Amino acid sequence: TQLLEQSPQFLSIQEGENLTVYCNSSSVFSSLQWYRQEPGEGPVLLVTVVTGGEVKKLKRLTFQFGDARKDSSLHITAAQPGDTGLYLCAGENYGQNFVFGPGTRLSVLP
Amino acid sequence: NAGVTQTPKFQVLKTGQSMTLQCAQDMNHNSMYWYRQDPGMGLRLIYYSASEGTTDKGEVPNGYNVSRLNKREFSLRLESAAPSQTSVYFCASSHDPFLNQPQHFGDGTRLSIL
Repeated sequence: TQLLEQSPQFLSIQEGENLTVYCNSSSVFSSLQWYRQEPGEGPVLLVTVVTGGEVKKLKRLTFQFGDARKDSSLHITAAQPGDTGLYLCAGENYGQNFVFGPGTRLSVLP
Repeated sequence: NAGVTQTPKFQVLKTGQSMTLQCAQDMNHNSMYWYRQDPGMGLRLIYYSASEGTTDKGEVPNGYNVSRLNKREFSLRLESAAPSQTSVYFCASSHDPFLNQPQHFGDGTRLSIL
C-alpha cells in the first residue's frame, strides 16, 4: 500500500507570512495533486504535477514535484486569511490507485 | 452548476440499521468514487466505478456495497451499520479513472452510528 505523509499536521501563522508544507512518500507516483478543503465542503483541486522537478505557480501558491516523483511541496507567499483550510496531497500510481495524505490544516490569522 | 450532489447531508443511525447514500453528477463524467474521511487519516477510497457498469474495491471496502445505477448516479449502501462507520462520506467524479484527471467532490454526508 502506498502511503503519503504530510507535514506539518497543523500550522497557524499571521497574515503576510510565508509558509511551506510538504508531502512525502517512499513510493514513486506518476502524478500528484494538491487539493484544498474548507469546513463543510468537499476538496477542490488546486494543481496537478506530472513531471519530476516540475514547478507550477497559482498566484501566490507555488507547487513543486520532486525530481524522483516521491515528494512535493506547496509554498504560499504572503498568506491571507482566505488561504485557511485543509491542504491535501493525493498521488496516483499509473492509473492503478489513488491515495490521499492526511492533510495539513492551515490557519492564517488576520 | 450543481456538479456532484450528495444526499442526505446528515444522518444518524443505530447500530445494525441499513441505509443508502446517494450521489449524482451532471458533468457527464465516466468515473465515480466513494471516499470516507476520518480525522487525521485523510480520504480513503471505499469503492470506485471506472465506467458505467463496472465497480471495483478501493482501500476500505468491507461493510459497504455500491451500485452504479447509470452514468450519472453511484450509490453507497451500508447493510448493517457499525459505530466504526461513523465518518464523513464524499462522492467524487472524474472524466476518466485517475490518470491525472481532476476529481470533483460533493459536499459530503456526515454519518453517525450510535
